[in-house]
Formats: sequence, C-alpha cells, structure tokens
Amino acid sequence: GNSVTQMEGPVTLSEEAFLTINCTYTATGYPSLFWYVQYPGEGLQLLLKATKADDKGSNKGFEATYRKETTSFHLEKGSVQVSDSAVYFCALSVGNEKLTFGTGTRLTIIP
Amino acid sequence: SAVISQKPSRDICQRGTSLTIQCQVDSQVTMMFWYRQQPGQSLTLIATANQGSEATYESGFVIDKFPISRPNLTFSTLTVSNMSPEDSSIYLCSVEKARQETQYFGPGTRLLVL
Repeated sequence: GNSVTQMEGPVTLSEEAFLTINCTYTATGYPSLFWYVQYPGEGLQLLLKATKADDKGSNKGFEATYRKETTSFHLEKGSVQVSDSAVYFCALSVGNEKLTFGTGTRLTIIP
Repeated sequence: SAVISQKPSRDICQRGTSLTIQCQVDSQVTMMFWYRQQPGQSLTLIATANQGSEATYESGFVIDKFPISRPNLTFSTLTVSNMSPEDSSIYLCSVEKARQETQYFGPGTRLLVL
C-alpha cells in the first residue's frame, strides 16, 4: 500500500533560520507528491506539489524536490518567518486515488 | 483551484444528536471527498462522495453513521449521526477537478460533542 513517513515534531526555530522537514514515501505506482499547510484555526491549504521525478515544487519561499531514488520529498525554506508557524503535512496520491497523509509536523517560529 | 465553503464552521452538539455539514464549491468538480481530523492528528478519509450514486466509504466508516449526499457537481453534505464525544473532530471536504490530480480543501467544520 501507500504510506508517508514524516519528520515528527514539534519543531521550534528562531526567525530567519533554515528549515527542513523530512518526508519519505512508499507507493504502488507512480505518485504525485504534495505539501499542505494548516495555519492555526484554519483548513488545509496546498503549499506545493510535484508530479514527476526531479520536479521541484515551490511557493512562498518553500521548496521540495521529488527524489525518486531516495523516495523523498523534503520541505525546505531558507529563512523562516513567524508567520510560517503552522502544521505541515506531506501527502501523496497515485492517479485519482485518495490522498495519503503523513502525521503532520507542527512548526513554531519564535521572534 | 477552487473556492470551497463549509457550513457550519463550528458547532457544539449534545450526544445522541445528528449534525449535517454542507460543502459548496464555486465550480463543477469531478471528485468530492470527506475527511476527519481528530484533535492533534492527521487526516483520515471517510468517503468519496459520488454524484448520483452512493458514496464510497473507507474501512472503518459506514453509511449509517456518516450518510453522505451529493445531488450535483458543486454540493455535498455529510451527516454525523448519533454523535458521541469521540466524534469531536474537524470535518473537511475536499474537491478535485478533472485531470488536475490535486485536491483542494474547505476551511473545515469544528465539531465538539458534549
């Protein structure tokens, strides 16, 4: 079956620090990979996605590269802000099948 | 993308009662889904809402507890029946448009059952 293993949190960083949240996956078939973000008290928002190997998804300064050889899709940002504090979910889907989510990583940025 | 609204945004309910949650999309979509997010947890798919036919439920979820309707391509409802405190969760609908292979989520309905 499909599964997503995500770096456990919570993660606390100082403002302007470098962020990495690890995500690895197993999938039957060729998955599309996603990062979703959930800000406090809100629903999920799509942050970025990649649909094939070596694709890089990017948005709001965040980046993630689809690495087929390591089955990974790590989320990175060079300089985090307080407003980036949220819960981040890595997810995958194969074709039109359901999304499979990781457990989520709570990120807190302190000024 | 798609603009998705959910009603109610939050509710506090008594055990044994039922609550119907509405999901409205601003454009026609092929797929609509309902998820549950229990406190501090990740998302779990409840079912796929099929237009014009019965919903497809995931393991552990049944129609009697979570009846779903989808009368057209822009609207769906999820009912949480005979609620207990264990049903306290955020319920989210999501949609996927044809050939986009990306799901977009509504803002969620925060349910507390006393």
